[in-house]
Amino acid sequence: DADVTQTPRNRITKTGKRIMLECSQTKGHDRMYWYRQDPGLGLRLIYYSFDVKDINKGEISDGYSVSRQAQAKFSLSLESAIPNQTALYFCATGDRGTNYGYTFGSGTRLTVV
Amino acid sequence: GEDVEQSLFLSVREGDSSVINCTYTDSSSTYLYWYKQEPGAGLQLLTYIFSNMDMKQDQRLTVLLNKKDKHLSLRIADTQTGDSAIYFCAESPSDYKLSFGAGTTVTVRA
Repeated sequence: DADVTQTPRNRITKTGKRIMLECSQTKGHDRMYWYRQDPGLGLRLIYYSFDVKDINKGEISDGYSVSRQAQAKFSLSLESAIPNQTALYFCATGDRGTNYGYTFGSGTRLTVV
Repeated sequence: GEDVEQSLFLSVREGDSSVINCTYTDSSSTYLYWYKQEPGAGLQLLTYIFSNMDMKQDQRLTVLLNKKDKHLSLRIADTQTGDSAIYFCAESPSDYKLSFGAGTTVTVRA
């Protein structure tokens, strides 16, 4: 099984709909992140969490919300999806006390029509 | 990733060396990273270098770091078709966040 699992892998949704992307990890890491990837822009940080009670906005949090349901679970919600939220979304985990990079999930490709 | 810059495309012949360059802005970054993204997959940590090092070698990969110029490079020796991917440079401006470049798409031609 993958260390970081994202569901769904692909999703097409309509403008105005609420959608949730889910992430779970078996790494035992305390830090979890949500990034979006757009061609030519690289990865941009949406939200991050250091533990269940700690949620922080990243550089592009508008239009998104998150929930850290447990140490191993971190979900991203689009309250009212719009077409410019069409992107590839990645969840990642990191271990406090080390900075040897993150472990990424395989991504969720979201299309808003 | 406006703080981390890298060229968007690189085409290389199979068997040649590839060099991917990156410039970063935060001199306090403790580590600098190279990630690889294959089609349809997430990012995989390829290698990283501690900021007090100039060079790190790992099999076909060589990372060079010039702290004065804030320049990082990744050299792949004997490039193979399996090396075709997007390569991301990343810096760590704090202990909780990575900043990524836009990614360099490497295409290996026969």
